[in-house]
Order: sequence, then C-alpha cells, then structure tokens
Amino acid sequence: DVKVTQSSRYLVKRTGEKVFLECVQDMDHENMFWYRQDPGLGLRLIYFSYDVKMKEKGDIPEGYSVSREKKERFSLILESASTNQTSMYLCASSAVGGITDTQYFGPGTRLTVL
Amino acid sequence: AQSVTQPDIHITVSEGASLELRCNYSYGATPYLFWYVQSPGQGLQLLLKYFSGDTLVQGIKGFEAEFKRSQSSFNLRKPSVHWSDAAEYFCAVGDHNFNKFYFGSGTKLNVKP
Repeated sequence: DVKVTQSSRYLVKRTGEKVFLECVQDMDHENMFWYRQDPGLGLRLIYFSYDVKMKEKGDIPEGYSVSREKKERFSLILESASTNQTSMYLCASSAVGGITDTQYFGPGTRLTVL
Repeated sequence: AQSVTQPDIHITVSEGASLELRCNYSYGATPYLFWYVQSPGQGLQLLLKYFSGDTLVQGIKGFEAEFKRSQSSFNLRKPSVHWSDAAEYFCAVGDHNFNKFYFGSGTKLNVKP
C-alpha cells in the first residue's frame, strides 16, 4: 500500500512564527503536492514538485515556500504564519505525473494560527 | 476558466437508499474527471476516474459515475448506501495542459440508520 504520512495531525502556532509541515511518501514517487483545504472552497494547490530540488507554484503560493531535498520528503514552509493560513493542509504524491496518474493523499495537518 | 461545481453542500440519505451526488464542470477540452472520498480524519481516496470511452465508469466501494458531455456533468451514484459511506465527496477535473487538478467544494454525506 502507498503510504503518505504527515508529521502532525494538529498544530497550533502563533502569528509570525515560522512553520514547517512535513510530508513523507514511501513509494518512490516522483511527484509531490501540497494542497490547502477550506470549507466551501475544496482543495487548492499551493505548490508541487516533479523532482528533487524542483518546485512549481500552484494556484495560491503566496505566503508559502517549499523544499524537496530528498525524493521521499516534501516540506511546506510558512515563513511568517498569519491567521488567514489557518486551514487543513493535505500532501499528496503520484508516481509518474500528469493528470492521468492517481494521487495518493496523506491524512492532513490541521493548522491553527492564533 | 476551469471549474467544478458541487451544488449540494450536505446530503442526508437513509441506509439502504440510493445516492446521487452532483458534479458539473467547466472545461474547454475533453475533461479528465475524478471522484474522491474523504472519510473523517483521513486523506482523500480515489473512487473512480474518467478519461475516455464508456461514459459509465465503475469505481471502488460499489460507486459508479456517468459522464454526460451535453450536460457538463459527472454525477456519482450508488444503488444502496451503507453507514460507512458517510464522508465528504469531492469531484475534480484534470487540466492536461497544465497537469493540475481543480476540485469542487465537496458534498458531505450523512447516512441515517
């Protein structure tokens, strides 16, 4: 079974803090994604990566950055957390890329910024 | 612009009843369509997908969906709902020009005993 794990299920941070969300996949997938899930808005793509050290902006990259130093790990960074970044964050991975390939999702990290 | 609309935010059905969840999409070319399910506390799981061919697609857990180009719809159906089907369901369209997905806002399904 493909497994995508996220470092925390729940996280509470203060405004201005630097926040790291970690995602690890164990299937040697090339592609990894970070989404944000908000009620009434569905999932929105923040960043994605097709290879180690490569990254591409998604639809809502402002206020976020990412890091992919190893194939299995994709980190989402909030340089200075703000209250409007309170949300559920979902990581996903896929083997080959392109939209025909199934994305496998982690359980999510619910981040609250106070 | 590409978009996906799920007009029902919440739906409640009785266990054993049939289910239909609506999805309408806006996409200029032939769409690649997906349905995902998110059970409480879990990530999204792919139920089924449509790329081409037979417009009636079978998925896991007894779900099926029908692509209707004339109505720009891809509705999800199940003939008999089980209590374990209570979850949130997301429809998505894949943009093959940019290798991205666009998700609907989701429909929460409650199942009454």
